[in-house]
Amino acid sequence: GEDVEQSLFLSVREGDSSVINCTYTDSSSTYLYWYKQEPGAGLQLLTYIFSNMDMKQDQRLTVLLNKKDKHLSLRIADTQTGDSAIYFCAERRYGGATNKLIFGTGTLLAVQP
Amino acid sequence: DGGITQSPKYLFRKEGQNVTLSCEQNLNHDAMYWYRQDPGQGLRLIYYSQIVNDFQKGDIAEGYSVSREKKESFPLTVTSAQKNPTAFYLCASSIVNPTEAFFGQGTRLTVV
Repeated sequence: GEDVEQSLFLSVREGDSSVINCTYTDSSSTYLYWYKQEPGAGLQLLTYIFSNMDMKQDQRLTVLLNKKDKHLSLRIADTQTGDSAIYFCAERRYGGATNKLIFGTGTLLAVQP
Repeated sequence: DGGITQSPKYLFRKEGQNVTLSCEQNLNHDAMYWYRQDPGQGLRLIYYSQIVNDFQKGDIAEGYSVSREKKESFPLTVTSAQKNPTAFYLCASSIVNPTEAFFGQGTRLTVV
């Protein structure tokens, strides 16, 4: 199928770690992304990982990729109230004339003070 | 400053009317995309274009049309054939083999 799937909602307390999960379908995807969307705004790229990597760390963000299970996760350390937003994972699919960025359903992260 | 601009931010349309959403970028990107966002459904691809004068249907192209006459511009027309046009529309651009796509701030279309 075409779907990239995420859980819809995650609630954490300020200072805790957040882990947002995503499963994708296309094993030939070359890049996988995490985007953040604040209310009423466009999407902001947080980080991306190339498919030959298992892990990428960027300050408070850690991305883990399990290619065998087609599972991607985003860990946010020391979660702050400003991290409250919708988080989208996305995969880039190439094939012939196709070059598409396919998004998951989004996970709403609510950070409780 | 380089960026991607969508206008207007809010748009109201009467049922049965066509409406065109603007997307302009000055990033010199070859590829541009239109997505529709509905609550709980994430982003769905409407149309995309990898080069001037060429575009391809995405997953939900019915009721929409686009043009790509200039590299900088990729307007989206929501036609009266689109049965449920009320949504948040996002435009994005990238180089053709990118590591990321850049998004505009979105246009919220409401049909009244």
